[in-house]
Amino acid sequence: DTAVSQTPKYLVTQMGNDKSIKCEQNLGHDTMYWYKQDSKKFLKIMFSYNNKELIINETVPNRFSPKSPDKAHLNLHINSLELGDSAVYFCASSPGQGARLEAFFGQGTRLTVV
Amino acid sequence: KNQVEQSPQSLIILEGKNCTLQCNYTVSPFSNLRWYKQDTGRGPVSLTIMTFSENTKSNGRYTATLDADTKQSSLHITASQLSDSASYICVVRDQTGANNLFFGTGTRLTVIP
Repeated sequence: DTAVSQTPKYLVTQMGNDKSIKCEQNLGHDTMYWYKQDSKKFLKIMFSYNNKELIINETVPNRFSPKSPDKAHLNLHINSLELGDSAVYFCASSPGQGARLEAFFGQGTRLTVV
Repeated sequence: KNQVEQSPQSLIILEGKNCTLQCNYTVSPFSNLRWYKQDTGRGPVSLTIMTFSENTKSNGRYTATLDADTKQSSLHITASQLSDSASYICVVRDQTGANNLFFGTGTRLTVIP
């Protein structure tokens, strides 16, 4: 009964390729997020979706695009992959935008660009 | 500039010992602060949440403190266990409409037998 699940767990690909990471949550949450954790283990928010509307879009390259087919899914598409995109990407969800609401994280997708 | 800084960067302790992790932040306006535990290869899991009016909160062997005046928080782990080995991340939320989350870089704790 995984609450927030991401696929794949590992992804190795060549520079210039286009790839997608899928995320699904079965918690009935309204808000989903994508975070990037760099080699120094620093988590940085990339996107946030609330009821299928993008509400936070940090200064990430436009090669990254979130796609939300429905409230339970928020997929991350990456075009023209670069070496610097190598990182662990975490999907998360929360019941809404309330300040005390906890974000539940997936197990992460380790992306390696070679 | 909103920042969250944690110390130490890494820590090794013997099983059964206590330890304290520190978090200093400059996030303003402040809403709340969470401590997360992140096991290797897993996503972060929330341990505690603290708001402006809360000074201390416990969750089993974990006790978090908050001094909103000095903008400091600590996470104290009592009687450490091998399973406590993980990264501990301090996350501060602001009170703007976006409810931004600011993550610290984490403290890597290793508990050895």
